[in-house]
Amino acid sequence: DIVMTQTPPSLSVTPGQPASISCKSSQSLLDSDGTTYFYWYLQKPGQSPQLLIYEVSSRLSGVPDRFSGSGSGTDFTLEISRVEAEDVGVYYCMQAIHLPWTLGQGTKVEIK
Amino acid sequence: EVQLVESGGGLVQPGGSLRLSCVVSGFTFTNYWMTWVRQAPGKGLEWVANINQGGSGKQYVDSVKGRFTISRDNTKNSLYLQMDSLRVEDTAVYFCARPGIGRGLDIWGQGTVITVSS
Repeated sequence: DIVMTQTPPSLSVTPGQPASISCKSSQSLLDSDGTTYFYWYLQKPGQSPQLLIYEVSSRLSGVPDRFSGSGSGTDFTLEISRVEAEDVGVYYCMQAIHLPWTLGQGTKVEIK
Repeated sequence: EVQLVESGGGLVQPGGSLRLSCVVSGFTFTNYWMTWVRQAPGKGLEWVANINQGGSGKQYVDSVKGRFTISRDNTKNSLYLQMDSLRVEDTAVYFCARPGIGRGLDIWGQGTVITVSS
């Protein structure tokens, strides 16, 4: 199985400051069709997860542009340019190139 | 409004069975694969199973193979997860989700809670 390793496990951020979460996969997520099957989700407290970023860097419609994804192959990053109070929750990365689909252990983002 | 609504959760003894349902609305169900994801108490998310549009293609995480069966009824816009031989470690919130952006899970239900305990 592909192992997804997220760092850091938790993050405490002052509103307005940037935040960055890393996710490394144990295998390349670039498929032969040219697609990299890598996603970022946010699970806000008490809510179901929501998709933020798909295929490394594409923002889902409605996701604020302060969220950006980057990376390739096995190393990926989610950046929040200016953290807001509504961004608190647990962020998960996920790969869907190989079965079983696997997710990182999560990064909990809190506001200072 | 696009919506996924799960039901069927509850308390069951180890070795027992439960059938989860997920009724969808607001989109053409037959156009999409569907997925179940679970979250054990205080833990992260775990992908459980996928099913293709017609129901003939099914994929499972190893820990549930042979015990869980994913299915769908396209006439009822419904997704199911039949869970047999349940174990304590199957205790979790179970979410149905739609892989609507490539394989990105863009729509999620609210989840249904399964507790396996004696």
